[in-house]
Amino acid sequence: GDSVTQMEGPVTLSEEAFLTINCTYTATGYPSLFWYVQYPGEGLQLLLKATKADDKGSNKGFEATYRKETTSFHLEKGSVQVSDSAVYFCARLNSGGSNYKLTFGKGTLLTVNP
Amino acid sequence: KAGVTQTPRYLIKTRGQQVTLSCSPISGHRSVSWYQQTPGQGLQFLFEYFSETQRNKGNFPGRFSGRQFSNSRSEMNVSTLELGDSALYLCASSLEVSYNSPLHFGNGTRLTVT
Repeated sequence: GDSVTQMEGPVTLSEEAFLTINCTYTATGYPSLFWYVQYPGEGLQLLLKATKADDKGSNKGFEATYRKETTSFHLEKGSVQVSDSAVYFCARLNSGGSNYKLTFGKGTLLTVNP
Repeated sequence: KAGVTQTPRYLIKTRGQQVTLSCSPISGHRSVSWYQQTPGQGLQFLFEYFSETQRNKGNFPGRFSGRQFSNSRSEMNVSTLELGDSALYLCASSLEVSYNSPLHFGNGTRLTVT
């Protein structure tokens, strides 16, 4: 079935360090891919998205490129801040059909220390 | 524009009881989805409604049910509560569940079953 696998962490970095959170998806259909972020006590917020192969989503310094050849959508940021501390979720959405749902990875807890 | 509103924010119930959670989507959004979030299972899809019709349902027992009203507001109900139902229940709305219409999440209802 459809699934998303992401590194579970936790990931602990110092401020201004480089961040990578790996995400891979099952290659069924032509999914759209998303990264969501969840801050403590809150719901999920959309961070970025990519809807087709080779698309690059970007927002707030975060980037992810839809790689069909490796079925990956890794999240990167060049210089993290303390305020980036949160849980990050990779997700896929099937296009077409009647499958009106997102499939999420398990989430990766990121802690950024000053 | 007001975001997705979920009430109540916290609930404590006893095993065997039933509970109803409420979700008011963003104005104009006709699709409402529900997700259960637990530390062990992560984010799992419960169901999705569009224009008062359930279009998809996740792999949850029949004790979990939902509905959507003509104003797009949605409720979910869990009957005969079990300890394992303790979770954060997230509601999300969108214009349409598609690659071009991302989900907007509420802050969730934290349900504790004792």
